[in-house]
Amino acid sequence: KAGVTQTPRYLIKTRGQQVTLSCSPISGHRSVSWYQQTPGQGLQFLFEYFSETQRNKGNFPGRFSGRQFSNSRSEMNVSTLELGDSALYLCASKQGEANYGYTFGSGTRLTVV
Amino acid sequence: DAKTTQPTSMDCAEGRAANLPCNHSTISGNEYVYWYRQIHSQGPQYIIHGLKNNETNEMASLIITEDRKSSTLILPHATLRDTAVYYCIVRPEGTGRRALTFGSGTRLQVQP
Repeated sequence: KAGVTQTPRYLIKTRGQQVTLSCSPISGHRSVSWYQQTPGQGLQFLFEYFSETQRNKGNFPGRFSGRQFSNSRSEMNVSTLELGDSALYLCASKQGEANYGYTFGSGTRLTVV
Repeated sequence: DAKTTQPTSMDCAEGRAANLPCNHSTISGNEYVYWYRQIHSQGPQYIIHGLKNNETNEMASLIITEDRKSSTLILPHATLRDTAVYYCIVRPEGTGRRALTFGSGTRLQVQP
């Protein structure tokens, strides 16, 4: 079966711009989580959506937002980009509630210049 | 979730067993031990999990001590493709509604 698909794979944006990243979960998976990974902070949880509703939220400023569509696809948006937003953004989908059920995509590498 | 402690890095020779330790001395009775790994520039990948019995699957074995205060992930015949960061996570099952959080993990370098 197809895995978690994230687009685009690479992105370069200018400080102050906004960006939208996309995640297509595995078919049948209703939960989508987003993570930010940087060399200094490691993997940090951004938010999770389940059946189009945000179920959990990490400790990130309001510039980071997301949404989930009825087909479970999810997007995350970062407005007013800062240099520190340069990171690998990872999306994970999950079918049930098991802690072992996460399947991650390969991520979108965002560079802010 | 119980706090875990892992070595920052480890080396292993290709073809030999890689033994990755994890200390979780404050583990509660209903908490499982989960292992994920992240190969460079990819997302984390689930490996194995267990409660108190030793577990084995096609990827690895998990040995949990009798007092459950520590565990070891074993890759029986490490290959260069096993070079990755390995994360040990301890949390109760059925907590999938809460976000999965990752610590710093152990960076395993498999040497040719």
